[in-house]
Amino acid sequence: GDSVTQMEGPVTLSEEAFLTINCTYTATGYPSLFWYVQYPGEGLQLLLKATKADDKGSNKGFEATYRKETTSFHLEKGSVQVSDSAVYFCALSDRTGNQFYFGTGTSLTVIP
Amino acid sequence: DSGVTQTPKHLITATGQRVTLRCSPRSGDLSVYWYQQSLDQGLQFLIQYYNGEERAKGNILERFSAQQFPDLHSELNLSSLELGDSALYFCASSPFGTSGETYNEQFFGPGTRLTVL
Repeated sequence: GDSVTQMEGPVTLSEEAFLTINCTYTATGYPSLFWYVQYPGEGLQLLLKATKADDKGSNKGFEATYRKETTSFHLEKGSVQVSDSAVYFCALSDRTGNQFYFGTGTSLTVIP
Repeated sequence: DSGVTQTPKHLITATGQRVTLRCSPRSGDLSVYWYQQSLDQGLQFLIQYYNGEERAKGNILERFSAQQFPDLHSELNLSSLELGDSALYFCASSPFGTSGETYNEQFFGPGTRLTVL
């Protein structure tokens, strides 16, 4: 069945460091891909999305490109800030809308 | 603010009891999803409703049930509660099927924190 595999955490980075959180997926057909972020004590918020191959989603300095050939959707940011400290979830949705799969989440801590 | 509301924010109860969690989706969204988030198991999909009907089922225990009402709000009922049911319960809604979208973006509520003592 469909699934998402996400890089294990936790990840600790210094402010202004480069961030990559790996996400690969298994799916039949052409899923849509998402990154969600969960700040401490809050619900999940959509960070960015991509609905077809080669699409690049971007928001708040974060980017991820939908790579069909490598079945990946890695999250990147060039220079992280302390305020980026949160848990990041990769997710996919099939075209029917019936199934939505989340990765296990990667905790990011950015230290000044 | 995602537009999804959940009540109550916190709930403390005892083992063996029954509770009801409530969710109001974003205006116009027909799909509602329930998730359980615990420290040891991450985010677990429980169940999905679409326009009042059950659409998909995940790792939902038999002690748990849900429904979606004609006004589209949803309730998650948890009964015979155990210590291990202590978790954050999230509701999410989706516009899928209402605007011709072919993908299923979900909008999450702030969650209900359930503590079973």
